[in-house]
Amino acid sequence: QAQLVQSGTEVKTPGSSVKVSCKASGDTFTSYSISWVRQAPGQGLVWMGGIIPIFGSTSYAQRFQGRLTITADGSTNTAYMVLRSLTFEDTGIYYCARVGVPKEVANFFDSWGQGTLVTVSS
Amino acid sequence: QSPLTQPASVSGSPGQSITISCTGTSTDVGGFDYVSWYQQHPGKTPKLLIFDVSKRPSGVSVRFSGSKSGRTASLTISGLQPEDEADYYCSSYTSMTTLIFGGGTKLTVL
Repeated sequence: QAQLVQSGTEVKTPGSSVKVSCKASGDTFTSYSISWVRQAPGQGLVWMGGIIPIFGSTSYAQRFQGRLTITADGSTNTAYMVLRSLTFEDTGIYYCARVGVPKEVANFFDSWGQGTLVTVSS
Repeated sequence: QSPLTQPASVSGSPGQSITISCTGTSTDVGGFDYVSWYQQHPGKTPKLLIFDVSKRPSGVSVRFSGSKSGRTASLTISGLQPEDEADYYCSSYTSMTTLIFGGGTKLTVL
């Protein structure tokens, strides 16, 4: 397993963008992928997308296509999630999670970050 | 793509067994043996219980087991304990190289 540490709480206005970071320990970036999962207040988990850092390849859920960008910086073992054109419905907790199978962009998650609360408010 | 279908809630008494279903399509649950299950207590991060349909990570109680038949996967919890009260989510790999979660099931231990 790996330790994933995310950036802190964000408050954004509608129409703006948010950038959340996720720093991984150990050998995560050398073999594993990172996904982002959102949980709106009182709602379920939604997979947003993922990246395999060693390849730079990404996969996005269709509902976030065009509005979401996931990147990774191998020099700092940090993954980033940028979500643009925010609406009130984007309020929620954003988790990064490590896929437990090397070099696969979407599978089970064996480690989770602590979550970052993003509030969209006018 | 719609979430995988899970019952909104299930309940059971301590010591009993319960099963939570997770129904998808031929392009996700029915097409791949990459179904996983997570437990989430209020205010906590999800915890992996089952991966690859029926495999348990080290440290997860043997009371949790998984199976799949066609387009429906199932999580069975035997010998229910009060601490099992939580939300449970299934997820599956899809043919579009993405992942999809179920809507979640709230387990109440009576």
